[in-house]
Amino acid sequence: KNEVEQSPQNLTAQEGEFITINCSYSVGISALHWLQQHPGGGIVSLFMLSSGKKKHGRLIATINIQEKHSSLHITASHPRDSAVYICAPSRGSNYKLTFGKGTLLTVNP
Amino acid sequence: GAVVSQHPSWVICKSGTSVKIECRSLDFQATTMFWYRQFPKQSLMLMATSNEGSKATYEQGVEKDKFLINHASLTLSTLTVTSAHPEDSSFYICSASPKYSNQPQHFGDGTRLSIL
Repeated sequence: KNEVEQSPQNLTAQEGEFITINCSYSVGISALHWLQQHPGGGIVSLFMLSSGKKKHGRLIATINIQEKHSSLHITASHPRDSAVYICAPSRGSNYKLTFGKGTLLTVNP
Repeated sequence: GAVVSQHPSWVICKSGTSVKIECRSLDFQATTMFWYRQFPKQSLMLMATSNEGSKATYEQGVEKDKFLINHASLTLSTLTVTSAHPEDSSFYICSASPKYSNQPQHFGDGTRLSIL
């Protein structure tokens, strides 16, 4: 069984739709990262959270440590949000990340 | 914000060549940097943890003599793929987090390595 499970693996949405990507993990962590990888390969760290909820613009990330589950939400999705979103738990900011397989999001205009 | 610079972004070379990839933290000190590899349509895989002033910690299955890591300063780590072969062709990417902080890791833009 993988240590990090993401769902769905692929997601196609229409512009404006509300998007949810889920992540469940079995490893012990102190922080969970949500990353965005564009087709060119570059990776951007969207969030690092250890409890509760964080919001940045149209992006919201939540985590439930007891249930070992995190979600990434995108409100009012836009074609430029099309990318692979990766969930990556870790023991902290200076510790190695364990990666989920990623969710390929395609937002159509 | 904190930036990690990775160079080169693209390398094409002949089999048997050694290739060096640099990862620099531009505006912060990083005692720890991470090196990852990603094959097409696969997830990122951690290769090694680079520790400033000491030996790197390699993940299981990664040959330390094949992938040489040097972290000589708090802002620079290098990964050298020695005697590269076509099966080493991959996307290599590094990350780092500011020392003594709780900030997210920052990623380089990656190096696409193609061995002919």
